[in-house]
Amino acid sequence: SAVISQKPSRDICQRGTSLTIQCQVDSQVTMMFWYRQQPGQSLTLIATANQGSEATYESGFVIDKFPISRPNLTFSTLTVSNMSPEDSSIYLCSVVGSGWGETQYFGPGTRLLVL
Amino acid sequence: AQSVTQLGSHVSVSEGALVLLRCNYSSSVPPYLFWYVQYPNQGLQLLLKYTSAATLVKGINGFEAEFKKSETSFHLTKPSAHMSDAAEYFCAWGGGSQGNLIFGKGTKLSVKP
Repeated sequence: SAVISQKPSRDICQRGTSLTIQCQVDSQVTMMFWYRQQPGQSLTLIATANQGSEATYESGFVIDKFPISRPNLTFSTLTVSNMSPEDSSIYLCSVVGSGWGETQYFGPGTRLLVL
Repeated sequence: AQSVTQLGSHVSVSEGALVLLRCNYSSSVPPYLFWYVQYPNQGLQLLLKYTSAATLVKGINGFEAEFKKSETSFHLTKPSAHMSDAAEYFCAWGGGSQGNLIFGKGTKLSVKP
């Protein structure tokens, strides 16, 4: 497994602004993902963060709204751009390491409230 | 498309009673299946996973799950509920080409004293 941290843990933002969420892992991992968990809902995959290349987005999510970076094998960022109250959610990163067999481990999440 | 169905968005049991949380999946591909738990204001913690090595999978905190291919089910059980088990539980399917997980809607477990 791995120790995964996210910053910030929570934030309250004004509509129209942007927030960048960081995900840091204590070891190199092969895959990193970003999920959204809207209030009272399950997790929905936003995108796969690809090291050194553009992220792969799921249907309904676009790069302009959720730009993602992954400069190395232990770090990724997700930006929520031009926020609206509908973006109020928990954002979680998850990772898969070599030999873990599809098992994803999750960070503690970033709780975002947009006013 | 693959999907995961969790029957019952909310399950309530008494302390010491059997916990049964239901999960069914739809896929023609032998899957990886997972159960995660989310305590209030926390991220997801892996409880257990099925990877075809054994149909009965034991996890942490006394939980176990049985994979039944004929029923496309992967129900989570615990013989005796504890107050600390109160949380939300998610069943997830893995094994797609993208490497991502497909989650059920979750079941919130309440434990009454």
